[in-house]
Amino acid sequence: AQSVTQLGSHVSVSEGALVLLRCNYSSSVPPYLFWYVQYPNQGLQLLLKYTTGATLVKGINGFEAEFKKSETSFHLTKPSAHMSDAAEYFCAVSSAGNQFYFGTGTSLTVIP
Amino acid sequence: NAGVTQTPKFQVLKTGQSMTLQCAQDMNHEYMSWYRQDPGMGLRLIHYSVGAGITDQGEVPNGYNVSRSTTEDFPLRLLSAAPSQTSVYFCASTPVAGPGTGELFFGEGSRLTVL
Repeated sequence: AQSVTQLGSHVSVSEGALVLLRCNYSSSVPPYLFWYVQYPNQGLQLLLKYTTGATLVKGINGFEAEFKKSETSFHLTKPSAHMSDAAEYFCAVSSAGNQFYFGTGTSLTVIP
Repeated sequence: NAGVTQTPKFQVLKTGQSMTLQCAQDMNHEYMSWYRQDPGMGLRLIHYSVGAGITDQGEVPNGYNVSRSTTEDFPLRLLSAAPSQTSVYFCASTPVAGPGTGELFFGEGSRLTVL
């Protein structure tokens, strides 16, 4: 079975500071991992994904995530936060059959 | 491109009423799914379909029915609404019903309140 744990339901950072959103997963098979972003009153959109190959994955808007199998983690980072990054972020894992399992989300606040 | 279209965007129901949330995609995706989003609980899978004529239950299927008569449409039916079904509902699709490497494309959501 697959599951995702996101540590910290709310994260606040200052504009220009490092963004670090944590995600740990549980999977009995090699996982496919995703980060999605949700802006207010909108659906989710893909930030980045890891399927196979390079463990450091770059996504849109300057975000990146590193797949660490030994730590079962897929943390999301961005070197310098921008006001427009304020949103809800979801980590997800998928398996055969396209069952996607989402974390409970992390709300990011960017302080001017 | 329209992508994934959900209607209605907002709906208020009384307990016991029935309704259908519509979902249509114009990307010829095989896989379609319905999620509900509740505060502190993330997104939970209600039902999904890997192709026309095929549906299956997700994590929280009770109180909901689905059908998939065409590739494009995947309606979600609430037969007798309950206050516990107050939520934001998202329809999502992906190109292939395979190993889960595809990106999910989401609709903008349908906010349902059951009084």
